[in-house]
Amino acid sequence: ILNVEQSPQSLHVQEGDSTNFTCSFPSSNFYALHWYRWETAKSPEALFVMTLNGDEKKKGRISATLNTKEGYSYLYIKGSQPEDSATYLCASLSGNTPLVFGKGTRLSVIA
Amino acid sequence: DSGVTQTPKHLITATGQRVTLRCSPRSGDLSVYWYQQSLDQGLQFLIQYYNGEERAKGNILERFSAQQFPDLHSELNLSSLELGDSALYFCASSPTHSLYGYTFGSGTRLTVV
Repeated sequence: ILNVEQSPQSLHVQEGDSTNFTCSFPSSNFYALHWYRWETAKSPEALFVMTLNGDEKKKGRISATLNTKEGYSYLYIKGSQPEDSATYLCASLSGNTPLVFGKGTRLSVIA
Repeated sequence: DSGVTQTPKHLITATGQRVTLRCSPRSGDLSVYWYQQSLDQGLQFLIQYYNGEERAKGNILERFSAQQFPDLHSELNLSSLELGDSALYFCASSPTHSLYGYTFGSGTRLTVV
C-alpha cells in the first residue's frame, strides 16, 4: 500500500513570512507527484504536476521541488498572504493506479 | 466552477437508509474517481470508472457501489448507512490517466443520523 505523508499537519505563520512543507512518498514505481490547494468550502484545485527528479515548478509566490530518488517534495510559499490560507494536499501516482493523497498541511496566515 | 458537477451538496439521512450521489465529469474527461474524506482522514480512494467500465477499486465497502453511464456521468450508491459513513464524498475527473491530474467537484457532505 502506498503511503503518502505530509508534515507538518498544520502551520500558523505571520503575513509576510515564507514557509515550506514536506510531502514524502514511496519512490518505487514512481510516475508523478501532484500538489493541490484546498480552500475551506471549495474543491481542491491543482497547483503542480511533477514527474522528473529535480523538477522545480513555480506559480507566483508558490514553488515546489521534487526528489524522486529519496521520495520527497517540498512546497514553498514566499511572503505568505492571508489568501494563502488553505490546506495543501500532495498526491502520488505509482504505476497505473489512481492518486494516493496525503492528509494535507493546513496553513493559516495571520494578518 | 470547475466543470465537475456533484449533486446534492448536502444530504442528511438516517441509519439504515440508502442514498445516491451523482457526478457529471468535466466535458471531455473519460475517467471518474470517487473519494471519501472522513474526519482526520485524508482523501480515501473508493473507485474509478473509465469510459463506462470499472478501472480500479480502493477501500470501498460492499454496501457501496457505483456505475458510470453512457453519457459518462457517474453515481455512487451507499446503502445500509451507518453513522461512520458520514463524510465528504468527492468526485473527480481526468481526461484518461491520473497522470494528468484531477478536476474535483465541490463534494457532497453526507450526514447520517
